[in-house]
Amino acid sequence: GAVVSQHPSWVICKSGTSVKIECRSLDFQATTMFWYRQFPKQSLMLMATSNEGSKATYEQGVEKDKFLINHASLTLSTLTVTSAHPEDSSFYICSAIGFWDSPLHFGNGTRLTVT
Amino acid sequence: SQQGEEDPQALSIQEGENATMNCSYKTSINNLQWYRQNSGRGLVHLILIRSNEREKHSGRLRVTLDTSKKSSSLLITASRAADTASYFCATDAQETSGSRLTFGEGTQLTVNP
Repeated sequence: GAVVSQHPSWVICKSGTSVKIECRSLDFQATTMFWYRQFPKQSLMLMATSNEGSKATYEQGVEKDKFLINHASLTLSTLTVTSAHPEDSSFYICSAIGFWDSPLHFGNGTRLTVT
Repeated sequence: SQQGEEDPQALSIQEGENATMNCSYKTSINNLQWYRQNSGRGLVHLILIRSNEREKHSGRLRVTLDTSKKSSSLLITASRAADTASYFCATDAQETSGSRLTFGEGTQLTVNP
């Protein structure tokens, strides 16, 4: 089945630094990728929708200058958390879709801890 | 409240028993999907049911959809300890596009051996 690879699976960084998370579709072309944030024992909150070759669409309340999304190819999207703060510590998950009305394929998530 | 509310929030059963989880939503939808998440991992797609379907089966899973009540249920039969996970429903609303899903709060299922 379709595989989405997310890297790194966990990262610890110091406050003020930036962290880049990669999301790759390994065996299909992802026209659209989604980035979510999940707090412990809570649901997924959609942060932004990323379409290849165009600017990401951010959900209300998500700072686009803080969470930079780049979708440069049909198989790769990146999320960069800039000037990270402890409150940015969370589980970040990406998903990808190849064509309309197909299920989403999720990465295994990235656990970000900002100290 | 959020589109896609699930109950119960937590469910603990014995191996071999059936587990039923419910999901309610608010807007018109194209389809409703169920996902499973093991602790600290990504989500795995279980089943998709379209708005014109009422019931769907996949192995030990049975999903129903009642668009008049805006609700869905996921039944796992003959549960196993390996079914322990969080289960989320997700709706694809008609007014959105590109599979922008809205997830429910999830049900934490624990199957005791």
